[in-house]
Amino acid sequence: GAGVSQSPRYKVAKRGQDVALRCDPISGHVSLFWYQQALGQGPEFLTYFQNEAQLDKSGLPSDRFFAERPEGSVSTLKIQRTQQEDSAVYLCASSSQSGRLNTGELFFGEGSRLTVL
Amino acid sequence: AQSVTQLDSHVSVSEGTPVLLRCNYSSSYSPSLFWYVQHPNKGLQLLLKYTSAATLVKGINGFEAEFKKSETSFHLTKPSAHMSDAAEYFCVVSDRGYGNNRKLIWGLGTSLAVNP
Repeated sequence: GAGVSQSPRYKVAKRGQDVALRCDPISGHVSLFWYQQALGQGPEFLTYFQNEAQLDKSGLPSDRFFAERPEGSVSTLKIQRTQQEDSAVYLCASSSQSGRLNTGELFFGEGSRLTVL
Repeated sequence: AQSVTQLDSHVSVSEGTPVLLRCNYSSSYSPSLFWYVQHPNKGLQLLLKYTSAATLVKGINGFEAEFKKSETSFHLTKPSAHMSDAAEYFCVVSDRGYGNNRKLIWGLGTSLAVNP
């Protein structure tokens, strides 16, 4: 597609519920990033894929968070047993560059706003 | 370790007056630096980037930023603010260190208000 697409745009979950957030990156983009943005804060890195390989998941806050990109295109961020502190906007970004060539120019989706009650 | 400090959390200017959003960074390596803009309920958009070429970088919508190594600064400027510039602005540093993943380190953001 023309840009990075994320769905759902808004999700309200009850505490303890599992959620899945989807990201469709720009076609052909090698790199895919997930970020978490709390209200009034800058984005915080969660995880990074190069094609289907998850090269860095050091930002995932707990083992309740899981991300995958099985075919190197669409990615899903799954949060199990959601807690109130998981409430945030989850941003997906993609880049045509990879690894050491990555100059950091990312294309972002509009985000998925998760509210956990 | 890399870090970014945006010196003002909120900036308010009148339409037609200059904009200055301040950013200082620390980096162990020669950094790449970026400014991103986020309009309400919109995705983040790259305004401009510095990657060791010219120190004065021109971006979209009339914005500029100057890399000053001696001051470890990368302030964002615009000669004349427009109402549509009202948004959240993020200064970002990317390391050029080792490994396959260039992590972006984000500032906390500066909220720009433009008054008529």
